[in-house]
Amino acid sequence: NAGVMQNPRHLVRRRGQEARLRCSPMKGHSHVYWYRQLPEEGLKFMVYLQKENIIDESGMPKERFSAEFPKEGPSILRIQQVVRGDSAAYFCASSPRGRLSGANVLTFGAGSRLTVL
Amino acid sequence: AQSVTQPDIHITVSEGASLELRCNYSYGATPYLFWYVQSPGQGLQLLLKYFSGDTLVQGIKGFEAEFKRSQSSFNLRKPSVHWSDAAEYFCAVVLTGTASKLTFGTGTRLQVTL
Repeated sequence: NAGVMQNPRHLVRRRGQEARLRCSPMKGHSHVYWYRQLPEEGLKFMVYLQKENIIDESGMPKERFSAEFPKEGPSILRIQQVVRGDSAAYFCASSPRGRLSGANVLTFGAGSRLTVL
Repeated sequence: AQSVTQPDIHITVSEGASLELRCNYSYGATPYLFWYVQSPGQGLQLLLKYFSGDTLVQGIKGFEAEFKRSQSSFNLRKPSVHWSDAAEYFCAVVLTGTASKLTFGTGTRLQVTL
C-alpha cells in the first residue's frame, strides 16, 4: 500500500509561469489536504478537499491559487503566474475520514518543492 | 487567538543525552495534539498523538510526550538521543471548530553531536 504520492518532487518555474502539483492519496483515503511550508517556517494549512468538493479553502491565497480533487485521478494544486514568494515546499496529506480522531490521522506525502526563478 | 508555540528554534544535544522539546498551546478546550518529525528533504512522519485518556503518550522511535493541562503543554521527550534523531520536530494541534485541520508550530531543529 503506497503512501501519499506527490509529484513532481522538485519543480522549477520562471516568474509568470504556471505550476501544477499533483497528489495521489493513500488507497482508501477520500480526504485530501494541502499545506505549504515556507523556508524556516512551519506548515500552513491551505485547503481541504473531498472528491469533487472543496470543504475548506480558508488558507488559500485569494488569487492565482486553486485546487481540485476530481472523481478520478489525483488532487491538483495549481498556481498561476508564479512569483518568487511562491517558492516553498507544498505538502499533501490524506485521511480516510474527515474528522480527525485517534483512529483517523493525516498521512503526509514527501512534498513538492517549488522554486521560482 | 488560538496558537501553538515551540519556544526553541534550535537545540543541540550530545548523542546519548536526554531530550525534551517544548510545545505550548493557547486553546480554550482540550485540543488534539501531535508531534511530527521531518528529516531533511523529507515529508512529515507522525511520532505520536494525544486525543484523550492517559496523559503520557508513547510514540515511535522511543519518543514519548506528556500532556499537562495546567501548563498548556505537550512536551516531547526521549531518554537517550541517537544521531539519526537529528531532524526538525513539529508540534501540531487540531483547533476548535476545525476538526479536520492541523495547526503547526514553527518547529524545533534538533542537532545531535557525536
